[in-house]
Amino acid sequence: GAGVSQSPRYKVAKRGQDVALRCDPISGHVSLFWYQQALGQGPEFLTYFQNEAQLDKSGLPSDRFFAERPEGSVSTLKIQRTQQEDSAVYLCASSAIKPKTGFQETQYFGPGTRLLVL
Amino acid sequence: KQEVTQIPAALSVPEGENLVLNCSFTDSAIYNLQWFRQDPGKGLTSLLLIQSSQREQTSGRLNASLDKSSGRSTLYIAASQPGDSATYLCAARTMKTSYDKVIFGPGTSLSVIP
Repeated sequence: GAGVSQSPRYKVAKRGQDVALRCDPISGHVSLFWYQQALGQGPEFLTYFQNEAQLDKSGLPSDRFFAERPEGSVSTLKIQRTQQEDSAVYLCASSAIKPKTGFQETQYFGPGTRLLVL
Repeated sequence: KQEVTQIPAALSVPEGENLVLNCSFTDSAIYNLQWFRQDPGKGLTSLLLIQSSQREQTSGRLNASLDKSSGRSTLYIAASQPGDSATYLCAARTMKTSYDKVIFGPGTSLSVIP
């Protein structure tokens, strides 16, 4: 089956522009995560959705960052008034929940969107 | 606050060598420890996941160990191949959330020279 897909794969924005990054999780996956990965660093947690509910947004670096998953499947990460420090790879991951235990299964990652803010 | 570090940051070895990648975490209250591989321009691929109650996991030429008390995990790669060249990331899942919140290390960039 299809894995997690993200679009666009690359985005160049002028400082001050708004951008929208899309994530298509694996069909049926309840959990969806967004991460930010700076060059030479590991991914850092941004936000978590369970279905359409955003249960944790503690990793969003500022109020310029906004994420949504209105129908519990596709998610969009929006960055308003982009700054140069927003340049990074934005990764999306999804996972299922084990029916008997309620525990989450392993996360499957998309290829990421590489954002460059000039 | 959980912090995850990895040593070395980069490693270059000739083909065929056995090698060890190190991961350390500051908070031993973890649910599991996972090793990922990341190829340039691609997402992360899960290699091995060790539950907190386990000591090690093996998959093919890969063996990962976990010592919670000392806050350490190692990834052992046997008989390295050029195709193993990638960045290897470890990630600790915290027990402080009801969902799968993982903290990643910065990664070790591995180059296997033919």
